[in-house]
Amino acid sequence: GAGVSQTPSNKVTEKGKYVELRCDPISGHTALYWYRQSLGQGPEFLIYFQGTGAADDSGLPNDRFFAVRPEGSVSTLKIQRTERGDSAVYLCASSLSPGTSTDTQYFGPGTRLTVL
Amino acid sequence: KQEVTQIPAALSVPEGENLVLNCSFTDSAIYNLQWFRQDPGKGLTSLLLIQSSQREQTSGRLNASLDKSSGRSTLYIAASQPGDSATYLCAVGNQAGTALIFGKGTTLSVSS
Repeated sequence: GAGVSQTPSNKVTEKGKYVELRCDPISGHTALYWYRQSLGQGPEFLIYFQGTGAADDSGLPNDRFFAVRPEGSVSTLKIQRTERGDSAVYLCASSLSPGTSTDTQYFGPGTRLTVL
Repeated sequence: KQEVTQIPAALSVPEGENLVLNCSFTDSAIYNLQWFRQDPGKGLTSLLLIQSSQREQTSGRLNASLDKSSGRSTLYIAASQPGDSATYLCAVGNQAGTALIFGKGTTLSVSS
């Protein structure tokens, strides 16, 4: 079946601009996660959705970052007033049984964001 | 704050060798531990998941162990192949089981 998909695969923008990154999770997965991976680093947790609500947004670095999941499926990560330090690969994951010890997160290919 | 460390950062071996990748974490109150594989420009693929109550998991040529009390996990790869070349990431589940905390990874190169 289809995996997690993310669009666009690459996004180049200028400092100060607004960007939106989209994630389509695996059908039926109630949990959705966003991570950010900088060069040479492991992924860093940003936010977790259970259904339509953000159950844990403790990883969002500041109020320029915001994410929504209005219908409990597709999610959009929004970044305002982008800065060069926001350049990274943004990864989305989904899972079926969050909060259970056997739950596996399935990752998408990521969106590479470059802020000039 | 949970911190995950992976050693070595990079490893090069000839085909056929058995090898061990190491992962350590600072807080033993983990939900589970997962090993992932990441190929260049690609997302992450889950290899093995060890529940906090388990000691090891096996899948084919891969075996992962978990020692919560010492804050360590190892990933053992038997009879390595060039196709195993990738970055291997260790991640621990937070106490709520809702977020993964990752190490920086070990980049493995297997030469034929």
